[in-house]
Amino acid sequence: ELKVEQNPLFLSMQEGKNYTIYCNYSTTSDRLYWYRQDPGKSLESLFVLLSNGAVKQEGRLMASLDTKARLSTLHITAAVHDLSATYFCAVVEEYGNKLVFGAGTILRVKS
Amino acid sequence: ETGVTQTPRHLVMGMTNKKSLKCEQHLGHNAMYWYKQSAKKPLELMFVYNFKEQTENNSVPSRFSPECPNSSHLFLHLHTLQPEDSALYLCASSQKGQGAQTRYFGPGTRLTVL
Repeated sequence: ELKVEQNPLFLSMQEGKNYTIYCNYSTTSDRLYWYRQDPGKSLESLFVLLSNGAVKQEGRLMASLDTKARLSTLHITAAVHDLSATYFCAVVEEYGNKLVFGAGTILRVKS
Repeated sequence: ETGVTQTPRHLVMGMTNKKSLKCEQHLGHNAMYWYKQSAKKPLELMFVYNFKEQTENNSVPSRFSPECPNSSHLFLHLHTLQPEDSALYLCASSQKGQGAQTRYFGPGTRLTVL
């Protein structure tokens, strides 16, 4: 059974600092997604990573995938308050279609 | 705006009531999903529909009854719910086949069962 673990589950950052959120998963996968959720809102798709070594960047966020280590990272550069949200990774099993979500990382950026 | 709409946005119901949640996607996708998001628990998949056919029921109690009349509309019929069913219910859609197959989520219905 596919399990997805994120850490940390809560992250309090100072503005301008860098940090990384980690997503580990337990079985082989061919798709990994990162989503953002603001309080009381729905999930917004940030990135989809399809292959080993894939790297995607959007603004201050950069996501990467290492399929051999079964690990994805979401790196935050020079955090700003607007990045405060909950970030989820979600993984699809190889040859399957069930999307399994991690527990989410609550990010708070303080000025 | 993600192209997936849900109504109502908020719903309060008693345990003996019957209500329905509605989802509509305007993205031309061929798959639709219901998810449950409870406090302090990961997002849980409830049901999957491909081309209007239910392909997955993730051990959901029968007090939740999905309906997919066409590939753009999805309903979740609720009856005799329990207080522990209070949660955010999210609808999503995707295009199955090759490529990313990203799920796009609606804004959710916040359900409170009294």
